[in-house]
Amino acid sequence: RKEVEQDPGPFNVPEGATVAFNCTYSNSASQSFFWYRQDCRKEPKLLMSVYSSGNEDGRFTAQLNRASQYISLLIRDSKLSDSATYLCVVTLPASNTGKLIFGQGTTLQVKP
Amino acid sequence: ETGVTQTPRHLVMGMTNKKSLKCEQHLGHNAMYWYKQSAKKPLELMFVYNFKEQTENNSVPSRFSPECPNSSHLFLHLHTLQPEDSALYLCASSQSGQISSGANVLTFGAGSRLTVL
Repeated sequence: RKEVEQDPGPFNVPEGATVAFNCTYSNSASQSFFWYRQDCRKEPKLLMSVYSSGNEDGRFTAQLNRASQYISLLIRDSKLSDSATYLCVVTLPASNTGKLIFGQGTTLQVKP
Repeated sequence: ETGVTQTPRHLVMGMTNKKSLKCEQHLGHNAMYWYKQSAKKPLELMFVYNFKEQTENNSVPSRFSPECPNSSHLFLHLHTLQPEDSALYLCASSQSGQISSGANVLTFGAGSRLTVL
């Protein structure tokens, strides 16, 4: 089983749609969770951290379900500029090296 | 210069060549990383350095040799590579290697796209 698993997509949605991505992780003791965004032929950039209580940043909402070991990202009112690959990232426990494990990424294409 | 800078951005080399990738961070971070990104695969962690000391080698073949002379610079020396080593090599830095939601957020460089012929 992969340490971090995502549906690679692509998800093709019209502008203004709401879209949700899920990510599952295998290590129940994982400690920190993030969503990164990677544009085509660019480097990944932090989109948002994911907190146990859930958190929202504008049109983006992240949720963590520790019992089921999954993380979600909800994007409301999709814009063309949201087209990118969204990477789920999990930090392994019992380490002081800050080792982050990346999922394969989910590709989103927002169409006009 | 700000952020994390990688050079060269593109590199084509033969299997018998020796080349190096360079990474420099201007963020005052203490941890630096090399990641490999191949098509349709997750980012693979290669090496981690904390305060210039290597703290992680993720079973990387010896044809990849990292060097970290100080907390701001990281090199990846390449020799006798294979075509399957062609990939995007990403350098990243973070404030520290400690596990906490803020301190280990990674800032990536733009990457060095390597092609091995």
